[in-house]
Amino acid sequence: KAGVTQTPRYLIKTRGQQVTLSCSPISGHRSVSWYQQTPGQGLQFLFEYFSETQRNKGNFPGRFSGRQFSNSRSEMNVSTLELGDSALYLCASSLVIDRVPETQYFGPGTRLLVL
Amino acid sequence: AQTVTQSQPEMSVQEAETVTLSCTYDTSESDYYLFWYKQPPSRQMILVIRQEAYKQQNATENRFSVNFQKAAKSFSLKISDSQLGDAAMYFCAYRSAPGYALNFGKGTSLLVTP
Repeated sequence: KAGVTQTPRYLIKTRGQQVTLSCSPISGHRSVSWYQQTPGQGLQFLFEYFSETQRNKGNFPGRFSGRQFSNSRSEMNVSTLELGDSALYLCASSLVIDRVPETQYFGPGTRLLVL
Repeated sequence: AQTVTQSQPEMSVQEAETVTLSCTYDTSESDYYLFWYKQPPSRQMILVIRQEAYKQQNATENRFSVNFQKAAKSFSLKISDSQLGDAAMYFCAYRSAPGYALNFGKGTSLLVTP
């Protein structure tokens, strides 16, 4: 079974631009979560989607948003990029049992550099 | 909010030896999950082992095992017969039972020497 895939793998943007990252979950996984990893803050939860609905969101500004499609693929968008948004963005997918996500499996990440 | 603490920023072990990575967490919940993930230089986060809080038996996956002490809120990872490929950053993570988000520790960088 194919793993979680993320595109693009690397991205360079300038301040003020916006960016969209994509995540395709493992087949059959309906929950998708996003995390930001930086040297200073470590790994931080962004949001989780299930059945095209955002169920939980971390402590990030409204510039960070996402969505999930009917095939469980997910995108996250960051508008008005700031230098501090430079990070590795990780997507994770999981099975859902009784509406609760099981173990999360991660993709390879998208490395975003904001200049 | 639950916090996860990994007190060892770096650890070193010789090939074929055993090493233990420490993790403590703070929670008032009784039902939760604990995980160890490994992140090699490729940055791909790989699940190493998972422990359900309601299970008293410690989880084991081949050379990897945990020592789960619920009362002490401790969850250490033991790697036996260390191999060069075990070199990576190891993250301890907590998730409440009905929750969605993983709370990660800051990580422990493991160096394996020949």
